[in-house]
Amino acid sequence: EVQVLESGGGLVQPGGSLRLSCAVSGATSGIYGLTWVRQVPGKGLEWVSDIGGSGGSTHYADSVTGRFTVSRDSSIDMFYLQLNSLRAEDTAVYYCAIVADYNSFNWFDPWGQGTLVTVSS
Amino acid sequence: DIQMTQSPSSLSASVGDRVTITCRASQRISSYLNWYQQKPGRAPKVLIYAASNLQSGVPSRFRGSGSGTDFTLTISSLQPEDFATYFCQQSFGTPSTFGPGTKVDIK
Repeated sequence: EVQVLESGGGLVQPGGSLRLSCAVSGATSGIYGLTWVRQVPGKGLEWVSDIGGSGGSTHYADSVTGRFTVSRDSSIDMFYLQLNSLRAEDTAVYYCAIVADYNSFNWFDPWGQGTLVTVSS
Repeated sequence: DIQMTQSPSSLSASVGDRVTITCRASQRISSYLNWYQQKPGRAPKVLIYAASNLQSGVPSRFRGSGSGTDFTLTISSLQPEDFATYFCQQSFGTPSTFGPGTKVDIK
């Protein structure tokens, strides 16, 4: 069974930085993409970023472009989301999830339990 | 960006009820539509992918249908563990976008 586990959240001041980690275990294939989705508690889901199976392609939401960077270390099945120039509106629970795919369709499964990022002075 | 809307935003239902949630995309997305269930304090869980495919392990009372711009999630007989919030998500274009959610609670 594939499992993902986020870590690295916490309290940070506006303008600060944080690195989130996502550990993947149980994957039988090393070729899979991963996505980051965030959710303000009690609100909806916002896609943030993803990284392709080969690690060569990355995408970002307009709201985080230029401030967040996604990366992976395939040798240890670890993914990272570097959050820079943080703003109060970045406060949210950040989830990582595997990008499952079949015949050009893709969906997010499984998800981690989430890690809370709070940006406040 | 493709905008997703859902209706209703919330509903109250009883155990055994048939529940229908609709999702509409702002442009045609073929069948690139997924449904997720989220319970309080938990991560979302995929129920349906590619509009009508039941994820392994998900009870058969969940059914997805639709194509193009209009989609439906139907729960044929609501069970106590189904009280949750349901989100649709389009995976046709980047960025992927989610609907605002439909909260299903107990009548």
